[in-house]
Amino acid sequence: KNQVEQSPQSLIILEGKNCTLQCNYTVSPFSNLRWYKQDTGRGPVSLTIMTFSENTKSNGRYTATLDADTKQSSLHITASQLSDSASYICVVSAGDNNDMRFGAGTRLTVKP
Amino acid sequence: DGGITQSPKYLFRKEGQNVTLSCEQNLNHDAMYWYRQDPGQGLRLIYYSQIVNDFQKGDIAEGYSVSREKKESFPLTVTSAQKNPTAFYLCASRQSGQVGYTFGSGTRLTVV
Repeated sequence: KNQVEQSPQSLIILEGKNCTLQCNYTVSPFSNLRWYKQDTGRGPVSLTIMTFSENTKSNGRYTATLDADTKQSSLHITASQLSDSASYICVVSAGDNNDMRFGAGTRLTVKP
Repeated sequence: DGGITQSPKYLFRKEGQNVTLSCEQNLNHDAMYWYRQDPGQGLRLIYYSQIVNDFQKGDIAEGYSVSREKKESFPLTVTSAQKNPTAFYLCASRQSGQVGYTFGSGTRLTVV
């Protein structure tokens, strides 16, 4: 069973709307959690990195939250743009080795 | 500009052939990684290397081989023993002690 579960698998929204992507994990011991954006046929690009003590972190129109007690994270995208169409991957690192566990991703499509 | 370069972007392999995917980085990162990405699944670790002339198997190493003769280079060979090699392959690097990973742009391998 994957230790990082993302929902929804796919999402379609209209340009200008907001959306929230979810990530639940069971990885332990927790080291940090990252959200990546991956355009089709490209490598993932880091959006945010959060450690245990951080509850929220923003990067422009992207805001990530972390609840280490419930082992949940969310990525909120504000005022979506067509260029936000991509897969968003949640990655949780564990232990001193920073062993990464990847979610399967949420495929976001923004339509005009 | 510093970065990590994968080549080729697209690669076609005939049944029974070995092929080698290139990964080069000029970030002076110590650690390098190879991941495989299949539709609907999270990235899976094939091999990783923390230091020159040393590498370790990841979760799905069977049918793959690597070398790390230089700090900058971490080529991946997909051998004929890999029964289902069609996938998107991503290389990543990281400086020891840092949490941030940098990904290459990927190589899409197709068996024909």
